[in-house]
Amino acid sequence: KAGVTQTPRYLIKTRGQQVTLSCSPISGHRSVSWYQQTPGQGLQFLFEYFSETQRNKGNFPGRFSGRQFSNSRSEMNVSTLELGDSALYLCASSSFRTSGYNEQFFGPGTRLTVL
Amino acid sequence: EDQVTQSPEALRLQEGESSSLNCSYTVSGLRGLFWYRQDPGKGPEFLFTLYSAGEEKEKERLKATLTKKESFLHITAPKPEDSATYLCAVRGGSQGNLIFGKGTKLSVKP
Repeated sequence: KAGVTQTPRYLIKTRGQQVTLSCSPISGHRSVSWYQQTPGQGLQFLFEYFSETQRNKGNFPGRFSGRQFSNSRSEMNVSTLELGDSALYLCASSSFRTSGYNEQFFGPGTRLTVL
Repeated sequence: EDQVTQSPEALRLQEGESSSLNCSYTVSGLRGLFWYRQDPGKGPEFLFTLYSAGEEKEKERLKATLTKKESFLHITAPKPEDSATYLCAVRGGSQGNLIFGKGTKLSVKP
């Protein structure tokens, strides 16, 4: 079974630009979550989607947004980029269980550098 | 406030020298504790899920245990290939999001 894929793997942008990152979950997984990872803050939750609906959102400004498509693929968008947005952006997918207590499987991440 | 604290931040071991990593958590309504391994430049790799106090899981040289306030990841006779950052995460609280600790960076020298 193929794992979670993320594109692109590396991205360099300048301040003020916007960026769109893509994530394809494991086949059959309908839940997709996004995280930002930086050396200082570690892994921080951005948002979670299930069946095209945002279920949860972390404490990030409105410049960070996302969506999920009917095939469970997801995109996240960051507008008006700031230097502090430089990070590894990770996508994770999980299968749905009625208990909701499900492990997440991560992709390789997209390394975003803002100059 | 929901919180996950891992210790130590870094651990250096000789090959074969067993040790434990700690993950203490404060969360209302724990709905699962997860251990991941992360190699440099890669996404976290899922290791274990623990749901209730007293539960234990094993995989090769790794064994994870859970109490009401903390979890331990025991590494028995580690090898250099076990070198990585080990992340602990809990799902719980009002939102049910995954909350990660900062990780323990393990280095195993031959």
